Amino acid sequence: DQQVKQNSPSLSVQEGRISILNCDYTNSMFDYFLWYKKYPAEGPTFLISISSIKDKNEDGRFTVFLNKSAKHLSLHIVPSQPGDSAVYFCAASFGNEKLTFGTGTRLTIIP
Amino acid sequence: KAGVTQTPRYLIKTRGQQVTLSCSPISGHRSVSWYQQTPGQGLQFLFEYFSETQRNKGNFPGRFSGRQFSNSRSEMNVSTLELGDSALYLCASSLDGTGGLYEQYFGPGTRLTVT
Repeated sequence: DQQVKQNSPSLSVQEGRISILNCDYTNSMFDYFLWYKKYPAEGPTFLISISSIKDKNEDGRFTVFLNKSAKHLSLHIVPSQPGDSAVYFCAASFGNEKLTFGTGTRLTIIP
Repeated sequence: KAGVTQTPRYLIKTRGQQVTLSCSPISGHRSVSWYQQTPGQGLQFLFEYFSETQRNKGNFPGRFSGRQFSNSRSEMNVSTLELGDSALYLCASSLDGTGGLYEQYFGPGTRLTVT
């Protein structure tokens, strides 16, 4: 049972435009959500997180939005840069329980 | 500060064999988690070790086991390898836990191929 879903396996965006990556979850107990970025031959690196008491968190070009009623979160990257080309994983947890990851979305930024 | 290291980086084994993967966490980190990454399945949690004790476990068969040493280094063992065990195995360390509250730092992974 996939509790965290990323329905788009891939996404291509023009450089300078906005990239929007989506993630849906089914477990209403999740109270902390994270995005990780992964380059080939490297492990995932933490990007940005959001607690369930917030609906938005911003860090530079990256903004995460959380819609608890829809059980949906999204990552916005503005403006998109070639170095943003990577696989993005969303993850969720409840308290100190294990992270549950989505299947990932491969983002390609077109110069 | 040195990052999380995993050895070996690549491994080829045949069905039925067993394999041991190693992970050295960031100095001072007490929690080590293991994940399996396969195409279409994302990262799936195997288990977490904290102070030499398994604290969390995912839904994997008993062929997958691990341990943690007093210096926080961890090993993961897979016995009776199956073709479906071919994957990237990632290790992550954190100061104190495996949930979202604790930032996890991942190693580069061990690519296991079972033939």
